[in-house]
Amino acid sequence: SAVISQKPSRDICQRGTSLTIQCQVDSQVTMMFWYRQQPGQSLTLIATANQGSEATYESGFVIDKFPISRPNLTFSTLTVSNMSPEDSSIYLCSVDGGGTIYFGEGSWLTVV
Amino acid sequence: GDSVTQMEGPVTLSEEAFLTINCTYTATGYPSLFWYVQYPGEGLQLLLKATKADDKGSNKGFEATYRKETTSFHLEKGSVQVSDSAVYFCALTMNRDDKIIFGKGTRLHILP
Repeated sequence: SAVISQKPSRDICQRGTSLTIQCQVDSQVTMMFWYRQQPGQSLTLIATANQGSEATYESGFVIDKFPISRPNLTFSTLTVSNMSPEDSSIYLCSVDGGGTIYFGEGSWLTVV
Repeated sequence: GDSVTQMEGPVTLSEEAFLTINCTYTATGYPSLFWYVQYPGEGLQLLLKATKADDKGSNKGFEATYRKETTSFHLEKGSVQVSDSAVYFCALTMNRDDKIIFGKGTRLHILP
C-alpha cells in the first residue's frame, strides 16, 4: 500500500497568482500522477512524473501552466500558474502501490 | 483507446435497497479494474479491485466481479445505508505504473 500526503488541503487563491501543491509518499515509487477534478466531474490526468526526467503531459495540459517537479522517488510538486476561476478544482496526486492506484486526499483550490 | 463507461446518475434509493451500478470497459488487453468512492467533501478512496477475469473484489458489503466475456465490472450491494451516499467511479489500468482511466462517476443518494 501507499500513504500519500498532499499540501495544501484547501486554499482560496487570487486570480493571476500561482500555487504549488506538494505530494509526499511514504514509500519510493517510480511514477507519480497528477489529476484534476473539476466541480461535479470525473478525474482527468494532467501529467505523469518520473523521477529524473521531465513530466509527460496529457493533451490539453502544458508545462507553462502546470510545471511539475520530481526531485526524488517520494516527492513531487505541481504548480498551477497564473490562475483563473476555471482552475478551481481538486488536484490529486496518485501512485501505483503494488498494482493498486492510491490517491492523496486532494488539494481543493478555489480561484476568486 | 481504452475507456470506461458507467451508468449515469444520480441514483436514488431507499435505505436497505439493493444497489447495482453498471460499468463496462473497452481495452486492448487485460486491465485491472477498480471501484473508487468519493464521499462528500473528501478525496478518492479505493473501494475494491480485481486484477483478472472472474476475480471478485469485495469491501464494506460491496462486490464486483470481473467479467471478461461481457467486459463488465458492475458494483453491487445487497442493502445500502444512508452512509453509502457518495460518488462512485469505475476505473481501469492496463499495466503497473500506467495511468488510471476513470468513468464519469455515478452519484448515489440513499434516503432514510
